[in-house]
Parts: sequence; structure tokens; C-alpha cells
Amino acid sequence: GAVVSQHPSWVICKSGTSVKIECRSLDFQATTMFWYRQFPKQSLMLMATSNEGSKATYEQGVEKDKFLINHASLTLSTLTVTSAHPEDSSFYICSARDGRPRGADEQYFGPGTRLTVT
Amino acid sequence: QKEVEQDPGPLSVPEGAIVSLNCTYSNSAFQYFMWYRQYSRKGPELLMYTYSSGNKEDGRFTAQVDKSSKYISLFIRDSQPSDSATYLCAMTGPGTYKYIFGTGTRLKVLA
Repeated sequence: GAVVSQHPSWVICKSGTSVKIECRSLDFQATTMFWYRQFPKQSLMLMATSNEGSKATYEQGVEKDKFLINHASLTLSTLTVTSAHPEDSSFYICSARDGRPRGADEQYFGPGTRLTVT
Repeated sequence: QKEVEQDPGPLSVPEGAIVSLNCTYSNSAFQYFMWYRQYSRKGPELLMYTYSSGNKEDGRFTAQVDKSSKYISLFIRDSQPSDSATYLCAMTGPGTYKYIFGTGTRLKVLA
């Protein structure tokens, strides 16, 4: 159980175009989803927290107009990188929090999406 | 000072060795402590989840939390080449779902 998928697993796009990344919780309802980015050999940097049906909360320094997040249902959140530039090339990972009340609040991570902007 | 400190390694050990991975932290409000394993170009996989202080064991893995010292550890017994990965510690406190991650320790188990 607790499987999170991401699509696509990798994408190459030209500078100036937009790219949408999907994050789905497959066997549970995720009231909260998180978007991270990870540069090579570095840790995960939280970009934003996404709650179903409400606006995402962005971390300091993350441009909300550039990284559009939509959490339209309890099983799907999308991240759109608008007007992508080479510096946006990174590994983007989502995680989902199982909303069922219990002692733990584990986050389950997706497999990641490698974005390369040429 | 970072909230969570973790030695990035790399750490190389022979197969069968006991591996000790550690993180220190500064925020005494942290109550939940996690260890994730991340293979290259993959998402992190939850290994261990502990609440407050104490030990937790799962197969070859043991997680320890010492809140008085603000220090957590992950021990891997009988390490295998398949354990070669980056190990990330993460922690969070009450009233928030945000995790604070360590930088990750790269582990290589040599056959």
C-alpha cells in the first residue's frame, strides 16, 4: 500500500515552454501533497505544500507564478513549470501524506521526474 | 547553523559490516524522525519511522533517537551491496506536516 506515482518520469523541453508533472496517490487519499526539487548529490528542497481544494503554500524563494500547483482531487496534484529555463533543470519529487488519522503522518514519495530544459 | 546536520559521506564499507548513520538537529520540538533510502535517480523510500526517543528495529535496520542529545542514528547490520544508496534523515514536529531533511549520506557496500 501507500504507492505514489509520477508522470512523466523524465522530460526534455525547450527553453520557454511549459511542462506539467503529475503526482498521484494510487491506493490512498492524500489530503496533503508536497513538491520537492533535488539537485545532484544534494538533499530534497521543499518547494510547496499542496492541500486538496485550496491554494498551495510556497516556500520562501519559490516563485508561485513560475511553479503552478493544482491539487484538484484527493489523489492528484500537478506541478506546472512555466516558461522553463535551463536553470529549472532538476529532479522534481512529490510526496503524499495519508490523511487517515493515526499516530503516524508518514510521507510517501513518488519516483521523481527528471526535467531537462535545453 | 542548519536545522539538521548529516555527514554527506561517501561512506564505504565491506559487505557484512555494521553501518552507523547519524544526524544531529537543533530544534527540540522535533518529535517524529524518519530514515529514507534513495537509490540513484529514484524517489526516497521510507525505511524507518520513530516517534520521540527510543529504539525501533525492523529486520537488519535499527533506528535510535536520543532527544536529550538531539541525535538520531540508523544502524544497518550485515550490510549488503544492495544497501548502497543515499540515506536521508528527516524530522518534523507537532502541528506541521513539513519535513526537514538532512543532506543525505552516500553509502557504498563493497562486495
